[in-house]
Amino acid sequence: AQRVTQPEKLLSVFKGAPVELKCNYSYSGSPELFWYVQYSRQRLQLLLRHISRESIKGFTADLNKGETSFHLKKPFAQEEDSAMYYCALSPNTGANSKLTFGKGITLSVRP
Amino acid sequence: KAGVTQTPRYLIKTRGQQVTLSCSPISGHRSVSWYQQTPGQGLQFLFEYFSETQRNKGNFPGRFSGRQFSNSRSEMNVSTLELGDSALYLCASSLLSSQETQYFGPGTRLLVL
Repeated sequence: AQRVTQPEKLLSVFKGAPVELKCNYSYSGSPELFWYVQYSRQRLQLLLRHISRESIKGFTADLNKGETSFHLKKPFAQEEDSAMYYCALSPNTGANSKLTFGKGITLSVRP
Repeated sequence: KAGVTQTPRYLIKTRGQQVTLSCSPISGHRSVSWYQQTPGQGLQFLFEYFSETQRNKGNFPGRFSGRQFSNSRSEMNVSTLELGDSALYLCASSLLSSQETQYFGPGTRLLVL
């Protein structure tokens, strides 16, 4: 069975501080991994996915298969980064696969 | 392109009643997934529909059901409502599968009294 664990519920940092949001997964194969973000009063939306290897809004995430982790990082947090962040996993088994979310972490960036 | 829309946005029901929620995906998207979001459990996958067929199902009781129409619009139904069904129900669409970017609707907030 696939599982996504986000061990922390809340992370509070000052503006300009580095941010690391942790995500660990459990899946025996090669998964697709995503980070979704929900800003206040906005819809849940994709932030980035590992396959595209992009940096979005200064955030990056590296898939570490040995540690089964997909931590989200940003070197210098901004106040507008305050939001709820969800890590998600989809098995790479073709169309017949479902997306599993972690329970999410609230990032609060203080001025 | 218009985004994913969900109706109604808010709903209050009493225990034992049933409810139907509607989701219109982004034009051209054929995969529609439903999620239940609660403070305690987070986002939990309910089911996914593709080409009018349920392709995946989460671990929810049979009281939760859904369907998809030929225009890809989807409905989910919850029968014999329980207090624990109070939640935000999110619909997401993607072109072909859940491995692609999911585009979420604003959700329907259901309160069961």
